Amino acid sequence: SQQGEEDPQALSIQEGENATMNCSYKTSINNLQWYRQNSGRGLVHLILIRSNEREKHSGRLRVTLDTSKKSSSLLITASRAADTASYFCATDGNAGNMLTFGGGTRLMVKP
Amino acid sequence: EAGVVQSPRYKIIEKKQPVAFWCNPISGHNTLYWYRQNLGQGPELLIRYENEEAVDDSQLPKDRFSAERLKGVDSTLKIQPAELGDSAVYLCASKVTQSYNEQFFGPGTRLTVL
Repeated sequence: SQQGEEDPQALSIQEGENATMNCSYKTSINNLQWYRQNSGRGLVHLILIRSNEREKHSGRLRVTLDTSKKSSSLLITASRAADTASYFCATDGNAGNMLTFGGGTRLMVKP
Repeated sequence: EAGVVQSPRYKIIEKKQPVAFWCNPISGHNTLYWYRQNLGQGPELLIRYENEEAVDDSQLPKDRFSAERLKGVDSTLKIQPAELGDSAVYLCASKVTQSYNEQFFGPGTRLTVL
């Protein structure tokens, strides 16, 4: 079963616009991670935010975490065509070393 | 540094046939995972190894799936016999044990069962 639910399931924007994806989860976590998956390839880690953090930045990525609402968001600023991919949130629960993935958001950035 | 290596990349078999997937994790990564990813969904964990020990295989359909990691390095996932519903991408990932950091994924094996 999947812990997280991403919203929206699909998103289409123009190059240069910002893209926001949301993730909700059900149980308590140690950290939450975001991964990107290009078509036909494996997943690539983007960013990790710990349960005691509220916001984190990495380049054009901004992640927020609200543990009271059990939700997270991923913002990609100034999107590029190369950002076209599926984005997954994954939660690392109390067991440690275990990730539970959501269903993903399919992002298309049009040039 | 070499990434996680998986083979084959693609496999097409008829139902009831056996199939095996191979994974070589990043050197020094003691934790190894096998995931199954159905089309349009996120990966779902099948089994996790800490060195050669399978520490979480609750999601592995044991009637037809088996896995091994005999020397605590590379691993094999087997399905026998395969069913139509097993068509999916099988992903292998590894990480450094005792770390809450990222998992590193291989490119996956896309299995099609006809």
